[in-house]
Amino acid sequence: QKEVEQNSGPLSVPEGAIASLNCTYSDRGSQSFFWYRQYSGKSPELIMSIYSNGDKEDGRFTAQLNKASQYVSLLIRDSQPSDSATYLCAVNQRGSQGNLIFGKGTKLSVKP
Amino acid sequence: DAGVTQSPTHLIKTRGQQVTLRCSPKSGHDTVSWYQQALGQGPQFIFQYYEEEERQRGNFPDRFSGHQFPNYSSELNVNALLLGDSALYLCASSKWDLTDTQYFGPGTRLTVL
Repeated sequence: QKEVEQNSGPLSVPEGAIASLNCTYSDRGSQSFFWYRQYSGKSPELIMSIYSNGDKEDGRFTAQLNKASQYVSLLIRDSQPSDSATYLCAVNQRGSQGNLIFGKGTKLSVKP
Repeated sequence: DAGVTQSPTHLIKTRGQQVTLRCSPKSGHDTVSWYQQALGQGPQFIFQYYEEEERQRGNFPDRFSGHQFPNYSSELNVNALLLGDSALYLCASSKWDLTDTQYFGPGTRLTVL
């Protein structure tokens, strides 16, 4: 059973701080990694994708991937109260194109 | 550019009934995937449609079936509803050659009483 693990939180950070969200996955053959943001009562919104080891930056968001450690993370710089949401990590399955495996999500709370 | 649309927004059914949920993908997308998200959980993959055929299927019983139409829109059908089928049903659209990059619609909240 392929798994994606996330700390459920809640993770609480003050406004302006860096929020660090982590995710581990079990399938060594996974090649595509995604972060989704989900506000309460809403559907997931794709915010980052990463495919190669290293860092990928997009505005205040940085995704980090380490395939050897089977670890992917999301950093949110200058956190804002509007970033308060549940962040879902999703990983593809080797040989199963389009079937994304999601973690349960980490709930982030940014305090003003 | 229209995003992914789903209907209805909410639905209440009783055990044993059947339900049909609908999805239209983003403009330019040809692939539709369906997910079930129970409260407090991440989405779980049900199945994926491309060229009007089911291409991938997750660990869901045959009570869950689907269809894709020539205009790429899709339906999810669930028969013999159980209380445990209560969840948010999400449609995700993508291009077949980038099928892992999926964009979700607003979802349909199904409540089974």
